[in-house]
Amino acid sequence: VQVVQSGAEVKKPGSSVKVSCKATGGSFSSYSFNWVRQAPRQGLEWMGEIIPTFGTANYAQNFQGSVSITADKSTSTVYMELSSLRSEDTALYFCAVGSAFDHWGQGTPVIVSS
Amino acid sequence: QTVVTQEPSFSVSPGGTVTLTCGLSSGSVSVSYYPSWYQQTPGQSPRTLIYSTNIRSSGVPGRFSGSIVGNKAALTITGAQADDESVYYCMLSIGSGNYVFGGGTKLTVL
Repeated sequence: VQVVQSGAEVKKPGSSVKVSCKATGGSFSSYSFNWVRQAPRQGLEWMGEIIPTFGTANYAQNFQGSVSITADKSTSTVYMELSSLRSEDTALYFCAVGSAFDHWGQGTPVIVSS
Repeated sequence: QTVVTQEPSFSVSPGGTVTLTCGLSSGSVSVSYYPSWYQQTPGQSPRTLIYSTNIRSSGVPGRFSGSIVGNKAALTITGAQADDESVYYCMLSIGSGNYVFGGGTKLTVL
């Protein structure tokens, strides 16, 4: 399984960002797709997950209401949208695929700056 | 809120053995938390080492092993090598499909 994420984003405070994660070489619908955030010089933080075959996402309490994870089976792509961006959302966002987070994407830098 | 605890830093001599731990601020870690371990070097994505307490991920060398020691999950590196110098994160499954990472342990090999 190869996991490829979309490229870096620069956003204004208050706007939204949508990051994509495409997995190839496996059974897309049955995989668990997880999103993990890493702020500069900080640790890892689990944001939420989706299993495309079920369609319903599950979110960490800290991200309830601000993040939306969706799956497009037609393109084998999962999306993570973060809204009402603040400077504290500046981070590297990883997509990790598999129940054991077996396969990681390269990370997508998101910079929130006015 | 669930807080997962790890040693902030640890050092080991080349060829030595080191055990990193993963605990809970309140309560004990058991296999029911399906502890997993990840290695991250600067500028790289994390790499899965261990999942479900003690199952090595594909391609992970045998010198990495996972277990439960007392009331904590543990990652043991036997015969540490220079390129094991990394930050190691544990993660626990806390139920309802939710996960929590520990703060990470920076391992120095010297």
